[in-house]
Amino acid sequence: GAGVSQSPSNKVTEKGKDVELRCDPISGHTALYWYRQSLGQGLEFLIYFQGNSAPDKSGLPSDRFSAERTGGSVSTLTIQRTQQEDSAVYLCASSLQGAGLTKETQYFGPGTRLLVL
Amino acid sequence: KQEVTQIPAALSVPEGENLVLNCSFTDSAIYNLQWFRQDPGKGLTSLLLIQSSQREQTSGRLNASLDKSSGRSTLYIAASQPGDSATYLCAVYGGATNKLIFGTGTLLAVQP
Repeated sequence: GAGVSQSPSNKVTEKGKDVELRCDPISGHTALYWYRQSLGQGLEFLIYFQGNSAPDKSGLPSDRFSAERTGGSVSTLTIQRTQQEDSAVYLCASSLQGAGLTKETQYFGPGTRLLVL
Repeated sequence: KQEVTQIPAALSVPEGENLVLNCSFTDSAIYNLQWFRQDPGKGLTSLLLIQSSQREQTSGRLNASLDKSSGRSTLYIAASQPGDSATYLCAVYGGATNKLIFGTGTLLAVQP
């Protein structure tokens, strides 16, 4: 597609439920990133994929958070047993090659706004 | 640990003014620095990317500078317009960590 797309655009869930957030990166981009933007926390890194593997998961806040990427394309971020503090905007980005390139630009999707009641 | 700070946190200016947004970072070992714009309810739009070997980049009314040794970058917006109203974020990319570290942003309001 023309840009990074994410679905759903908005999600309201009850505390304790599981949610899945989807990201479709720009076609041909091998690197994919998930970020979270919370009030008072700013924009923070969650996980980075190179192809289907995730060499950096250091930003995942707890074991309730997991992500996978299949076919070097679509990625799903899953949050199990959601808590109110998980409420945030979850942003996905992709870039052409990933590591080590000074010209590398990340292109962001519109985000998924998650509200946990 | 890399920390990125932006000042001011918020800025309101009348239309037509030139303005400067500031970004500072603690670890100078970066590959590049990017300035992004975020409109309410929208994702991030990349405005300018400055590679570590560069001193500045220009795009239209925007000019971004980078001083790696002092850990500073500035975004200069000339002849501001109401359409420039948004949150501006700077982010540094360190190749070893393969992720962007973002500043807290500057909320800009340009009054018509």
